[in-house]
Amino acid sequence: SQQGEEDPQALSIQEGENATMNCSYKTSINNLQWYRQNSGRGLVHLILIRSNEREKHSGRLRVTLDTSKKSSSLLITASRAADTASYFCASHWRANNLFFGTGTRLTVIP
Amino acid sequence: SAVISQKPSRDICQRGTSLTIQCQVDSQVTMMFWYRQQPGQSLTLIATANQGSEATYESGFVIDKFPISRPNLTFSTLTVSNMSPEDSSIYLCSVGAPSGVQETQYFGPGTRLLVL
Repeated sequence: SQQGEEDPQALSIQEGENATMNCSYKTSINNLQWYRQNSGRGLVHLILIRSNEREKHSGRLRVTLDTSKKSSSLLITASRAADTASYFCASHWRANNLFFGTGTRLTVIP
Repeated sequence: SAVISQKPSRDICQRGTSLTIQCQVDSQVTMMFWYRQQPGQSLTLIATANQGSEATYESGFVIDKFPISRPNLTFSTLTVSNMSPEDSSIYLCSVGAPSGVQETQYFGPGTRLLVL
């Protein structure tokens, strides 16, 4: 399976704290993407980092990529209750196919 | 960005029956994708559907079980055939970004299927 793994599987933090999620993947990639899913609904694309990039920012999101370790991390700063969702990394390595990680369920407590 | 709708949003079906899920996009897109998300799990790609050609299925998924149609650039259907309780999942369609960053995908809201 090409599916990656994420840890932790679940994370619970207080509002205002930072949340860090990690992702590992198995193959060489073109890019790695992070998506958010609210309550079993459709996924929303958050950020994409290319294989030649090491760090990327978008608002309160910071993504890092270490291709030598085949790993990535997503940091959400100053978390809000509305950030409560499941977060998935997805590796892109052939055609337009994405292979999703196992996901991290984030709960932000108001 | 693309706006994607799916029908039905949810359904409860009896084993042995079939359900066809529709996916409609508000713009023309080349590639459409169908995913399955089993309860509490991640997404698994079922197949890629290009207009005018046969769908390409991933390992573990076959056309007889999950026939797909792609009659035009804005529409696709996925049929879950001869259903069993193991087919209870959320089924999501997605499309490749029509412009901008080509590798990203936009997802529909999903169809939640329960097979009894």
